[in-house]
Order: sequence, then structure tokens, then C-alpha cells
Amino acid sequence: AQSVTQLGSHVSVSEGALVLLRCNYSSSVPPYLFWYVQYPNQGLQLLLKYTSAATLVKGINGFEAEFKKSETSFHLTKPSAHMSDAAEYFCAVSVFTGNQFYFGTGTSLTVIP
Amino acid sequence: DTAVSQTPKYLVTQMGNDKSIKCEQNLGHDTMYWYKQDSKKFLKIMFSYNNKELIINETVPNRFSPKSPDKAHLNLHINSLELGDSAVYFCASSPFEGIGNYGYTFGSGTRLTVV
Repeated sequence: AQSVTQLGSHVSVSEGALVLLRCNYSSSVPPYLFWYVQYPNQGLQLLLKYTSAATLVKGINGFEAEFKKSETSFHLTKPSAHMSDAAEYFCAVSVFTGNQFYFGTGTSLTVIP
Repeated sequence: DTAVSQTPKYLVTQMGNDKSIKCEQNLGHDTMYWYKQDSKKFLKIMFSYNNKELIINETVPNRFSPKSPDKAHLNLHINSLELGDSAVYFCASSPFEGIGNYGYTFGSGTRLTVV
């Protein structure tokens, strides 16, 4: 079985500061890992995904994440926060033969002007 | 062109009523899902259909009944609505039964409020 844990249900950063959202996973087989973003009153949009190729994955809107097998982590970062990054962020795990995602509980990002 | 579209976007109804939420995808995907997002933003899978066949049916009350007339549509019918059914319901699709490295395409959600 797979699971993800997102540390910190709420994260606040100043505009222009580094964004770091944490995700740790558990999987008995090689995982596929995803980050989704949910803007207020909208659906979930794929930010980026790790699918066993490069461990450093670049996504949309300047976000990136690094897969670290030894730490079972897939943390999301962005060098400089923008006001438009304020949203809910979800980490999710799947596997090659999996038929569903396992989502984390989400992290709400607030960007302070 | 909306890839995964849900209707209605908002639904306010009284306890005890029966309501339906419709979902359609124009991506040619084989698999469709319903997720429930509660007030704490937690996402929980409810159902999954692959090419009109039910493949995931989590422990949801049998008042919830999915219907898939074809692989492009997965509707959710809810009988005897209760206050606890208030949530945002998301439809999603993926190309095939195994999510693998593709992931989902989500609809924009239906906010259901039961009063």
C-alpha cells in the first residue's frame, strides 16, 4: 500500500521568499509522485510529476521537486514566492500498476505581501 | 474546450432530496473517478469506472450510486441527502485503468450544500 504525509497543513511565506512544501511517501514498490495545486474554488491542476526518470523535476509556474529515495521525500520548492502562488497544494503517490492516487492532506500556502 | 466538465458547479438542496451530478470528459480516457473533498480539504476516492465497468467502490453509503452510460460519462446520483454529504465532489479521468505515470485530469468540482 502507498501513502503520503504532508508536514504542515499551513505554510506562510513572504512575497519573494523561498517556498518549501514537504511531502514524504511510503511505498513498497517504486512510486510515481505528483504535486497538484488547487486555487480557490477550482479543481486540481498538475504541477509536476516524478516518474522514475530525472530525480529533479521541474513543473509549471517555477516550481520544482526533488525525489530523494533515501529520505522517501518529494518536497516542492520555488525560489521566489508570488502572490498568485497562494493555494492548496496536494502531494500524491501512485505505482505502475496502481488504479488510484493516494493523496496527502494538503498544505495551504499563504503569501504575505 | 473543457477536458473534464462537471455540472452543476454549485448545488444547494434540502435534506432528504435526491440529486445528480454529471461529469463528461472529451479526452478519450478509459477511466473516470469520483472524489469527495471535505471541509478540511481531504480528498477521498469514492468510485472508479474503467470503460463503463466499476473497478473501485470505496465504503460509501449506498445512497450514492454512480452511473456510466459510456466511457466519456460518469454521473453521480445521491438519494436521501444528509447534512454530512455537504462537500465538494470532483470528477477526474485518466487514460487507462493503471494510473501509472500519467495522473489524473480533474474537473472543476461541484460544491454540494445540504441544508
